[in-house]
Amino acid sequence: QLQLKESGPGVIKPSETLSLTCSVSGVSFNSSTYYWAWIRQPPGKGLEWLGTVYYTGSAYYTPSLRSRLSISVDTSKKQFSLRLTSVTAADTGLYFCARFLQMGLSDALDIWGQGTTVTVSS
Amino acid sequence: DIQMTQSPSSLSASEGDRVTITCRASQSINTYLNWYQQKPGKAPKLLIYGASTLQSGVPSRFSGSGSGTDFTLTINSLQPDDFATYYCQQAYNSPPVTFGGGTKLEIK
Repeated sequence: QLQLKESGPGVIKPSETLSLTCSVSGVSFNSSTYYWAWIRQPPGKGLEWLGTVYYTGSAYYTPSLRSRLSISVDTSKKQFSLRLTSVTAADTGLYFCARFLQMGLSDALDIWGQGTTVTVSS
Repeated sequence: DIQMTQSPSSLSASEGDRVTITCRASQSINTYLNWYQQKPGKAPKLLIYGASTLQSGVPSRFSGSGSGTDFTLTINSLQPDDFATYYCQQAYNSPPVTFGGGTKLEIK
């Protein structure tokens, strides 16, 4: 059964670097029919796509975070990771990893992790 | 970037009602439009992809339509489990990917 699970620090101080990892199980990590994404949700707000990465390592980022964000893959561990530098309180929220599946008419986020809460606080 | 506008932002309805949620794209996205359902503290769940194709396991009371810039999600005969927040998401020429602002469906 395909599962994604996020892991991370929970609480982080302002100006520090946030590192999150998503572990994938139950499916081949290296496939051209799907790729991987990070999405976040500030408290009480909507969903924000952060970035997408292919198993080859090619990554794309939301323009507003491009200078602070990087996403990488470790195919041997079946993991992909997010690194966000210089965090502020605005980076507080629920962070999800998910799979983007090529579904013919539209690529869609068909499998999601349960999410991990990140709180930026001194 | 393509902007997605959902309306209404919130909606009150009763069990058994039929409701419609609208999503509008700032430019044509063909049928590259997906709908998700999210309950508090939980991950979103894919309901419909390609504007009108029901994801496996999703009840048939959910349906989607539209193409170009205007899309709708319709829920027939609302069930207690349907009260949640719904998001549209465009995948046209993605990345980047954008979500609508969400529609919170509440019990009247």
